[in-house]
Amino acid sequence: GDSVTQMEGPVTLSEEAFLTINCTYTATGYPSLFWYVQYPGEGLQLLLKATKADDKGSNKGFEATYRKETTSFHLEKGSVQVSDSAVYFCALNTGNQFYFGTGTSLTVIP
Amino acid sequence: DAGVTQSPTHLIKTRGQHVTLRCSPISGHKSVSWYQQVLGQGPQFIFQYYEKEERGRGNFPDRFSARQFPNYSSELNVNALLLGDSALYLCASSLEGGRAAYEQYFGPGTRLTVT
Repeated sequence: GDSVTQMEGPVTLSEEAFLTINCTYTATGYPSLFWYVQYPGEGLQLLLKATKADDKGSNKGFEATYRKETTSFHLEKGSVQVSDSAVYFCALNTGNQFYFGTGTSLTVIP
Repeated sequence: DAGVTQSPTHLIKTRGQHVTLRCSPISGHKSVSWYQQVLGQGPQFIFQYYEKEERGRGNFPDRFSARQFPNYSSELNVNALLLGDSALYLCASSLEGGRAAYEQYFGPGTRLTVT
């Protein structure tokens, strides 16, 4: 069945380090892909999205490219900040179903 | 503008009881989705409603049901509660439903504890 597999955490990085959080998916058809973020004490927020193959979603310095050939949607940021510490969720929408990954906790230390 | 609101914030129920959770979407949004989030896991999709009709259903037993009202607010009902139903229940709204539900806005959730 359809699913999302997300890189296990937790991840700890120093400020200004490069971030990659891996996400791969299994789905029939052409799903839309998303990254959501949950900051400490806050609700889930949409970080970025891509609705078709080769689309690149970007927001707040984060980027992810919809790769149909590798069924991946990896999240990247060139230089993380302490304020990026949060839990990140990869998700997909198949049209009538939504699937979330298990989440990756990121801690950025000064 | 108000975001997605959910009530109640917290709820404690006993096994076998019934519970109703409520959600009000952002003004203008016509679609509401419900999720169950167990601690340390990602949200699990339960239902999506769009224009008062069910448009998607996750892998949950028939004890779970929902409906959407003419003002687009929604209720999630769970019958015959089990200990395993203890979780954070999230509601999300979007302008459209189905594949066009590109941007979902989540509420703060209702924390349900079943004892």
